[in-house]
Amino acid sequence: NAGVTQTPKFQVLKTGQSMTLQCAQDMNHNSMYWYRQDPGMGLRLIYYSASEGTTDKGEVPNGYNVSRLNKREFSLRLESAAPSQTSVYFCASSEGLAGIAYEQYFGPGTRLTVT
Amino acid sequence: GNSVTQMEGPVTLSEEAFLTINCTYTATGYPSLFWYVQYPGEGLQLLLKATKADDKGSNKGFEATYRKETTSFHLEKGSVQVSDSAVYFCALSDQASQGNLIFGKGTKLSVKP
Repeated sequence: NAGVTQTPKFQVLKTGQSMTLQCAQDMNHNSMYWYRQDPGMGLRLIYYSASEGTTDKGEVPNGYNVSRLNKREFSLRLESAAPSQTSVYFCASSEGLAGIAYEQYFGPGTRLTVT
Repeated sequence: GNSVTQMEGPVTLSEEAFLTINCTYTATGYPSLFWYVQYPGEGLQLLLKATKADDKGSNKGFEATYRKETTSFHLEKGSVQVSDSAVYFCALSDQASQGNLIFGKGTKLSVKP
């Protein structure tokens, strides 16, 4: 049981380049999330997917797109990277959503630097 | 809107010292409350949770009690170890946030031998 896996672990981009961060979970969870973590800011939700086939914006969605490819996979795309998107990105998954106290399981993170 | 406020860090303690990390929240409904821990170089993992008032969550010697009257969920441990050095996040989830977690900014704990 790998849990939540993310690729790549590290990435350096130049301003304007694009890339996709990959996330997969093997726990048969319905809900998946993308967060970014910045110093002194805690974690902020970018996008989430309550169930396969649905995606919704979180607190900081601008500059990002997501795809829930199937129940296991949830990718995050930066179409035109900006230095403000330098951050550590975490993917998470949980059994359910909607006010229920399900535990979220986190991946190891992707450290992205945009120069 | 909903929010979580944690005490500013970093916190530095000697081994076997008593730990308290304060957390207060603002929520319109009746949230569930969580403490997550992030060890160096890793993702977050759930430490403990409480889903209703007066519940006490506990795990690995850590405890936190859901206090509705003071809107607080302070994390405590009687005797910290070097291995407890990490960043601790308080978080809430409720219907207003569609079940999504709202995190505090995190408190970094360093425990010296």
